[in-house]
Amino acid sequence: GENVEQHPSTLSVQEGDSAVIKCTYSDSASNYFPWYKQELGKGPQLIIDIRSNVGEKKDQRIAVTLNKTAKHFSLHITETQPEDSAVYFCAARSGYSTLTFGKGTMLLVSP
Amino acid sequence: DSGVTQTPKHLITATGQRVTLRCSPRSGDLSVYWYQQSLDQGLQFLIQYYNGEERAKGNILERFSAQQFPDLHSELNLSSLELGDSALYFCASSARPQGSSGANVLTFGAGSRLTVL
Repeated sequence: GENVEQHPSTLSVQEGDSAVIKCTYSDSASNYFPWYKQELGKGPQLIIDIRSNVGEKKDQRIAVTLNKTAKHFSLHITETQPEDSAVYFCAARSGYSTLTFGKGTMLLVSP
Repeated sequence: DSGVTQTPKHLITATGQRVTLRCSPRSGDLSVYWYQQSLDQGLQFLIQYYNGEERAKGNILERFSAQQFPDLHSELNLSSLELGDSALYFCASSARPQGSSGANVLTFGAGSRLTVL
């Protein structure tokens, strides 16, 4: 089955800096890659996703890039704000399978 | 509010006991998923139902079972509880089964925190 590795496990940045979280996947047939944000005491919430026919997708301060050849994808957050502090999960899905999640990255943005 | 409702929010019980977690999916969603979240294992997929039928099974223990009822709500039953079953249990819903063509976003509930003493 699919295996998703996520790095780093924790990331501390200053407000205004950029943050990058990286994930690799094992199944070359995977074609859907969402990112979820989990705030304290809440369930994960989808923030952005990308499909395998697209190399990059942006939504305001958030962008995701996908390198199918290397089987890795990344989340980029620019101009970080304290409210960006949360746990971020990447995930991958191939065909008719269910989502496989990475183990999460705790992002801490200091004012 | 995501539209996915989970009860109870917190549950404390003893080893050997049995508990039931309940989930109401977002209005219009036919598919329900259960995930277990522990500190060292991240989000582990347990089981999926679509319109009342089991669709996919993940790392679900034999002591655990689930079902989806005609009104589409789902229950996860955990029996013979062990200390290691302490975790956050999330329910998620989607409009269609995973793998369907087109966008099929998972919407998560706020979770049920189970503590086994």
